[in-house]
Amino acid sequence: DVKVTQSSRYLVKRTGEKVFLECVQDMDHENMFWYRQDPGLGLRLIYFSYDVKMKEKGDIPEGYSVSREKKERFSLILESASTNQTSMYLCATYRGDMNTEAFFGQGTRLTVV
Amino acid sequence: GNSVTQMEGPVTLSEEAFLTINCTYTATGYPSLFWYVQYPGEGLQLLLKATKADDKGSNKGFEATYRKETTSFHLEKGSVQVSDSAVYFCALSGGSARQLTFGSGTQLTVLP
Repeated sequence: DVKVTQSSRYLVKRTGEKVFLECVQDMDHENMFWYRQDPGLGLRLIYFSYDVKMKEKGDIPEGYSVSREKKERFSLILESASTNQTSMYLCATYRGDMNTEAFFGQGTRLTVV
Repeated sequence: GNSVTQMEGPVTLSEEAFLTINCTYTATGYPSLFWYVQYPGEGLQLLLKATKADDKGSNKGFEATYRKETTSFHLEKGSVQVSDSAVYFCALSGGSARQLTFGSGTQLTVLP
């Protein structure tokens, strides 16, 4: 069974904290993505990575950064959490071909108080 | 850039009713089109896909046809079940971008 594992299902953090969301995949896929999911807005792309140490900004990168030191792991970092970053965060991965299936983690529900 | 416009929900149906969720897209080139489903408490999973014009994707009784002339990929099912209650996302890939672009999602609730 293919697996995309996000480190936490639920997180509660305080405003101004630095927050790390981890995603690990066991499929040897090159491409990894971070999305946030908000009601009525669907999924919006934050950052993605096509290879180790490579990263590209998505549609809403402000307030976030990422790290990909190993192929299987892609981390999303909230440098200084704010209440408007309260959301569901989804990690996804797929093989090189965009016509193939993307696999998603179960999501991390982050609440910033 | 690419964009996906999806029928807004929520949609509530009785069991065995017919389902249509509309999806239209804007893209340059020749994108692939997908429907993903998110069951409560889970991540998204692929429901079906179509990679070229006039292709029909199908799975679990759901169908969608890639219509290039109307830039649409509407999801249909002839007889919904309670277990189909979920959020459905239309998405595209390729065209001018190398990542998936999603619609806003449609919440479907099926009542017994």
